[in-house]
Amino acid sequence: DAGVIQSPRHEVTEMGQEVTLRCKPISGHNSLFWYRQTMMRGLELLIYFNNNVPIDDSGMPEDRFSAKMPNASFSTLKIQPSEPRDSAVYFCASSLSNEQFFGPGTRLTVL
Amino acid sequence: GENVEQHPSTLSVQEGDSAVIKCTYSDSASNYFPWYKQELGKRPQLIIDIRSNVGEKKDQRIAVTLNKTAKHFSLHITETQPEDSAVYFCAARADSGYSTLTFGKGTMLLVSP
Repeated sequence: DAGVIQSPRHEVTEMGQEVTLRCKPISGHNSLFWYRQTMMRGLELLIYFNNNVPIDDSGMPEDRFSAKMPNASFSTLKIQPSEPRDSAVYFCASSLSNEQFFGPGTRLTVL
Repeated sequence: GENVEQHPSTLSVQEGDSAVIKCTYSDSASNYFPWYKQELGKRPQLIIDIRSNVGEKKDQRIAVTLNKTAKHFSLHITETQPEDSAVYFCAARADSGYSTLTFGKGTMLLVSP
C-alpha cells in the first residue's frame, strides 16, 4: 500500500488566491482527518470525516476553509481566499481503528 | 472538550541517557493514549499506545505509563540514540461515538552524541 497520498507537497501562492489541497486515504480506511501544523499552535484538527460524512468541523478556522469527501478515496481542503496566516503544513490522516496514518503533508506558503 | 498538556517543550540529553516526556489530560472519559514521533520534515508516526485498562506498556527501549487517577501519562525512552531526536506528541481520546484525538503541543527531543 502506498500509504496516505497528498498533493501538492508544496504550494506557494499569493494572498487572495484559492488553494486546493488533495488527499487520498489508505484503501479500506473509513475515517479521514485534516490537520494543520504550525510552530505556534502545534497540530490542530480541522475536520474529521467518517464514511465520507463530515462528523466534526469545529476546528475549521472560518468560512474561508471548506472540505469535501465525495467518495471513500478522495478528499479536498479548500481555502478561498487565502491569507498569509494560513501558511502552515497541512496533514491528511486516515484510520480504520485506533492508529491514524498521516500523509506526507502539504507545505503551504501564502505571500 | 479534551485538553492535553505536554512537558517539557524541549529536552536535550546525552546519548545513552534516559528521556521522559509527561502529559496530562482533562477528560476522565479518555481511555486511549498514543504517542507519535515526528522527525524533521516528516510526518507524525505512531510509536506506542496504551489503553486505560493497562498501567504500563513496553516496546524495546520505549515505554509508556498511565495514571488514570491523576490523569497523566508519560513516555520513557532508555539508552537514547541520536536517531531518537525528533518531536514527540502525546494524544488522548475517548472510545465513545465519534471522538477524535487531542494532541499535546509536542516535545522536541535532541540527543547529542
